[in-house]
Amino acid sequence: AQTVTQSQPEMSVQEAETVTLSCTYDTSESDYYLFWYKQPPSRQMILVIRQEAYKQQNATENRFSVNFQKAAKSFSLKISDSQLGDAAMYFCAYRGSNTGNQFYFGTGTSLTVIP
Amino acid sequence: GAGVSQSPSNKVTEKGKDVELRCDPISGHTALYWYRQRLGQGLEFLIYFQGNSAPDKSGLPSDRFSAERTGESVSTLTIQRTQQEDSAVYLCASSFGSSVSYEQYFGPGTRLTVT
Repeated sequence: AQTVTQSQPEMSVQEAETVTLSCTYDTSESDYYLFWYKQPPSRQMILVIRQEAYKQQNATENRFSVNFQKAAKSFSLKISDSQLGDAAMYFCAYRGSNTGNQFYFGTGTSLTVIP
Repeated sequence: GAGVSQSPSNKVTEKGKDVELRCDPISGHTALYWYRQRLGQGLEFLIYFQGNSAPDKSGLPSDRFSAERTGESVSTLTIQRTQQEDSAVYLCASSFGSSVSYEQYFGPGTRLTVT
């Protein structure tokens, strides 16, 4: 089965600084999608950014960008100019093209933003 | 423009009782997912519905868990003879279709506590 590993249970960043959250995954598939979700205290999961494995270009969404290293099976999230509203749990997730309907989630990283 | 809604928001039940959790997906979304999120952990896939196709039940942890969906509308997740290890947040998500390119929209979850 696919596994997704987030090795940083907690991270903190000063407001306006940059932080990188790490994620690694294990798969034998060549075609898949990777996601970062944000879960604030309200529990509402929100999609932050998505990366298709066949695309070499790293995805970006405003202050959020990823560093996708397919050979290393690494998918880190960089948050630039951190804001207080970025404080939340961040989950990395995987879905393969051949593994049916399942999304595989990591255990999450709790991000604190220090004013 | 309503999002995914879930009810109840919180549920406390005694061990051995049955519980029903409800999910109202976004109108027009044919795909619906249920996940379980234990404290401090990521999301575990439970079950997936797509239109009128047979559901993917591969994530259900035991036969005490079942789910139904009427057409492309409301879904209910039922847990019979609840156990303390069933305590978790149960999240529902819907998407426009089954393709992985479609974003999942999550509800706020139901926090289940089994005493």
